[in-house]
Amino acid sequence: NAGVTQTPKFRVLKTGQSMTLLCAQDMNHEYMYWYRQDPGMGLRLIHYSVGEGTTAKGEVPDGYNVSRLKKQNFLLGLESAAPSQTSVYFCASMAGGFIGNQPQHFGDGTRLSIL
Amino acid sequence: AQSVAQPEDQVNVAEGNPLTVKCTYSVSGNPYLFWYVQYPNRGLQFLLKYITGDNLVKGSYGFEAEFNKSQTSFHLKKPSALVSDSALYFCAVRDLGSSNTGKLIFGQGTTLQVKP
Repeated sequence: NAGVTQTPKFRVLKTGQSMTLLCAQDMNHEYMYWYRQDPGMGLRLIHYSVGEGTTAKGEVPDGYNVSRLKKQNFLLGLESAAPSQTSVYFCASMAGGFIGNQPQHFGDGTRLSIL
Repeated sequence: AQSVAQPEDQVNVAEGNPLTVKCTYSVSGNPYLFWYVQYPNRGLQFLLKYITGDNLVKGSYGFEAEFNKSQTSFHLKKPSALVSDSALYFCAVRDLGSSNTGKLIFGQGTTLQVKP
């Protein structure tokens, strides 16, 4: 049972390059989320999706785009990488139904460095 | 606005002693509260949640949390700490202001260091 899988696990980019981070979940969850984690700042929500084909902006969406073409996958794109986007990125998913008491389930992260 | 605060950046305890990691919250309405643990180079793992009912909630790995409505707190506790409990702990509250999105608001995290 893989749960939430993120690829790649590590990546180094040069400023201005683009890339896509992939999140895949095998739990048939409706909701998916992308966070970034920076020292002393906890987790900040970048974008999220409440179902296949839907996306919405979170707290810090600038410089990122997302797509949810398939229910199990949630892609995070960096259009033109900047050093300020150096971070650890986490994907999470959550079941539907009564969502008040549902926990989010996290992947192990992608460590991204922008030079 | 809804918020979560973890007033301690780090908590140090000796192995075998009880531990407490503090969390306070601010929400309008009934809170849905969660605790997560993050080990080095891993994602967040769900520990326990409070939705309603008994104020003492039991979770994974022997952890429990006490909900106190009057003090708007949800402190994480364990009767006897293990060195392997050393990790980063996050408290979170469901953002009910954003209906049906499932969003969580996280505290800044508390590093727990358990020394042998």
